[in-house]
Amino acid sequence: AQSVAQPEDQVNVAEGNPLTVKCTYSVSGNPYLFWYVQYPNRGLQFLLKYITGDNLVKGSYGFEAEFNKSQTSFHLKKPSALVSDSALYFCAVKEGTNAGKSTFGDGTTLTVKP
Amino acid sequence: EAGVTQSPTHLIKTRGQQATLRCSPISGHTSVYWYQQALGLGLQFLLWYDEGEERNRGNFPPRFSGRQFPNYSSELNVNALELEDSALYLCASSGWGSYNEQFFGPGTRLTVL
Repeated sequence: AQSVAQPEDQVNVAEGNPLTVKCTYSVSGNPYLFWYVQYPNRGLQFLLKYITGDNLVKGSYGFEAEFNKSQTSFHLKKPSALVSDSALYFCAVKEGTNAGKSTFGDGTTLTVKP
Repeated sequence: EAGVTQSPTHLIKTRGQQATLRCSPISGHTSVYWYQQALGLGLQFLLWYDEGEERNRGNFPPRFSGRQFPNYSSELNVNALELEDSALYLCASSGWGSYNEQFFGPGTRLTVL
């Protein structure tokens, strides 16, 4: 069975500082990893994904994530946070052999203070 | 390009009734997914449809069911509504393949009284 853990319910950072939102996963095969963001009163939006290749992937709005196979992690990062980055972030995993089912983490609320 | 659309936006039902939620995927997408987002419980996978067939379902009772139509739109039916079914129901679509990200609709807020 596949699973995702986001160990922090809430992350608070000051505007202009770097941010990290943590995610670890468990799958039996090759993982496909995704980050989504949910702004208040809006649906989820895709940010970035890791399928294969370079461990550092870049996505929308200046976000990036690093895939670490040995630590089974896929942490979301941004060098300089903006107040507008404040939102709920979800990490998700798909196992390559089970094309449809995505398992989502419980979400991390990011608050960026001016 | 039109995004994923869902209807209705809000739905209020009483316990024991049936609810029907609808979803139209992005043009060209054959896979449709349903999720339940209850307060404090994150996203729970409900159902996955592709090419008109149910491909996978999550750990929900049989009173949660649905179907996908030939135009790839989908509906989710919840029978014998219970108070704990109150949640935001999200629909997403994607092209075939595990590597494809999902595109989400705005959701239907179901309230069971």
